Amino acid sequence: EIVMTQSPATLSVSPGERATLSCRASQSVSGNLAWYQHRPGQAPSLLIYDTSTRATGVPARFSGSGSGTVFTLTISSLQSEDFAVYYCQQYNNWPPWTFGQGTKVEVK
Amino acid sequence: QVQLVQSGSEFQKPGASVKISCKTSGYTFTNNAINWMRQAPGQGPEWMGWINTNTGDPTYAQDFTGHFVFSVDTSVSTAYLQINSLRTDDTAVYYCARDHGDYVFQFFFDYWGQGTQVTVS
Repeated sequence: EIVMTQSPATLSVSPGERATLSCRASQSVSGNLAWYQHRPGQAPSLLIYDTSTRATGVPARFSGSGSGTVFTLTISSLQSEDFAVYYCQQYNNWPPWTFGQGTKVEVK
Repeated sequence: QVQLVQSGSEFQKPGASVKISCKTSGYTFTNNAINWMRQAPGQGPEWMGWINTNTGDPTYAQDFTGHFVFSVDTSVSTAYLQINSLRTDDTAVYYCARDHGDYVFQFFFDYWGQGTQVTVS
């Protein structure tokens, strides 16, 4: 099973600042990596798939990069609605598909 | 718009069963697989498996074989997760999620239900 490790566990950022979230896989997942946003009390939503493709309706301030075992989600200028928990997920090697434990982006 | 709406919280005793529904709307139900995830407090989601909404064939992750059952009712565009012989360690939030792929399985998930809290005590 591929283990996905996200860092940091919590990221404190001021509105308007840049946020950089990391996701590391225990073995290569090629480019088969997705990111999700989970706001409190809401359903999780897909942000990025195939490492860097934004899902429908996702603002351009969200971008993904990486390959192999190291991936990054960048939020260029944090808006109030971006304070949430973010998860990465690999869908390259199964079973099973696996998620990271999450990074909480909170207001500094 | 695409929506997945799950049934409400459940509080059950050990040994009981529970059936969670995931009612979909806004798209053709049989075009996309439905996946199920479990999330314990403070942890990331765990992928439990998926069901082919066209054929009704389920696939379970290794850790979720045994007392979990996926099913669908295409007449009401709804997927179900039944958990039998509930144990205290089944306490978690359960999510359904739609596979992004139309007619293909891509195994990332573009729409999720709001989650169903199951508490076993």
